[in-house]
Amino acid sequence: EAEVAQSPRYKITEKSQAVAFWCDPISGHATLYWYRQILGQGPELLVQFQDESVVDDSQLPKDRFSAERLKGVDSTLKIQPAELGDSAMYLCASSLGREAFFGQGTRLTVV
Amino acid sequence: LAKTTQPISMDSYEGQEVNITCSHNNIATNDYITWYQQFPSQGPRFIIQGYKTKVTNEVASLFIPADRKSSTLSLPRVSLSDTAVYYCLVGDYAAAGNKLTFGGGTRVLVKP
Repeated sequence: EAEVAQSPRYKITEKSQAVAFWCDPISGHATLYWYRQILGQGPELLVQFQDESVVDDSQLPKDRFSAERLKGVDSTLKIQPAELGDSAMYLCASSLGREAFFGQGTRLTVV
Repeated sequence: LAKTTQPISMDSYEGQEVNITCSHNNIATNDYITWYQQFPSQGPRFIIQGYKTKVTNEVASLFIPADRKSSTLSLPRVSLSDTAVYYCLVGDYAAAGNKLTFGGGTRVLVKP
C-alpha cells in the first residue's frame, strides 16, 4: 500500500539553528499539505501545494519558515532559525481530492 | 469553509456504540463531511465521507440529516484500540486542491 514518507521521524535541535523536514507524497498526488500539530491540539495547516505551486501559505510564518516542492513531487519544509515554540509534530499529507493520506510525521524538539 | 463544532471528549466502554455529533450550520451546497481518526504520535487517517443521508463502511457509519447542518459519526461495538481523537471536517472535497481545516477534535476514550 502506497504511503506518504517523511523524514526524519524525530529531530532535536537547538534554538537559532536551522532544521529541515522532507516529505515524499504518494505517487500521482497533485496536492501536498504541511501541517504543524502542537500536543493536545488539532493539526494547523502551514502550506498547501498544487503540483509545484503554493495554493495557500497564509498561516506559514514566512520570516522563519519556507517550503518548496520542486518538480511537483517531494517537498521540503525549513525553519531558520528555530525557536522554542516551534516544538511540535510536523505532518505531511497528499491527496487526489476525496481523501488525504498523512505521513507518520516528524517530531521536532527545540532546546 | 464551514466551521465545525464537536464535543471535546467522550468516554465509552468496550462493546458499546459511540456516536459523535458534529455541528456545521454554515455548510455550503458543494461541501462534503469527512471524518478522520488520529492515534497518538501518528498522522490522521481517513475514516468516512458523506454528502447526505447515510454512509456505511467497514469501520463506521455517518448519518447526515436532510438539512445537513449536523452529522453523526457512529462507531459500532468499540474496542480499546478505538481510543483516539476524531476530527470532523467540512469542505468541497470532490475537487482536487481543496483545503483541509482541522478543529480540536473529539477525544474518545474506550474503557475496559
